[in-house]
Amino acid sequence: AQSVTQLDSQVPVFEEAPVELRCNYSSSVSVYLFWYVQYPNQGLQLLLKYLSGSTLVKGINGFEAEFNKSQTSFHLRKPSVHISDTAEYFCAVSEGNNDMRFGAGTRLTVKP
Amino acid sequence: DAGVIQSPRHEVTEMGQEVTLRCKPISGHDYLFWYRQTMMRGLELLIYFNNNVPIDDSGMPEDRFSAKMPNASFSTLKIQPSEPRDSAVYFCASSLIRWNTEAFFGQGTRLTVV
Repeated sequence: AQSVTQLDSQVPVFEEAPVELRCNYSSSVSVYLFWYVQYPNQGLQLLLKYLSGSTLVKGINGFEAEFNKSQTSFHLRKPSVHISDTAEYFCAVSEGNNDMRFGAGTRLTVKP
Repeated sequence: DAGVIQSPRHEVTEMGQEVTLRCKPISGHDYLFWYRQTMMRGLELLIYFNNNVPIDDSGMPEDRFSAKMPNASFSTLKIQPSEPRDSAVYFCASSLIRWNTEAFFGQGTRLTVV
């Protein structure tokens, strides 16, 4: 079965700095990969997803992620963060068997 | 569509009481999921339905938990009897046709069992 590891539980960063949130997965078959964001007291919403095709995926709010099959990674990046990006970010993987697993989450805190 | 609607948003109950959480998925979505989120265990999939039929309930922690989906527009998650360790935020999510498309989450129900 697939599993997801988010390597950093917390990432503090200053406003306008770049950020990378790391995600590694384990699976023996082809996977679908997702990043979700959770703002305080809200449900999760999709940032971006990789299903097939180009390994560089662009999402909402200026985020992008790159699928690296050899390293089994799907790191999330943004070149310049804003205060409003402060939230919890979840990486998720599905093997297409109608089951999605979420990582433990990374809390991004953007400081002025 | 108003999105996935969960009720109540907050629930405080005493240990031993029955608790029922409710979810209205997005119209036309064939999959419905119940998740539990805690600081210790993160986001856990409890159970999911396809076309109102429970497909995988292996994540349900114990027999005190039960979930139903009597029709395409309504699902419940029941805990009876509730215990303090059940305190968590419970999310309902729905998706269209296949799970590897976007899942839409409700705002969650924050359950506190005292």
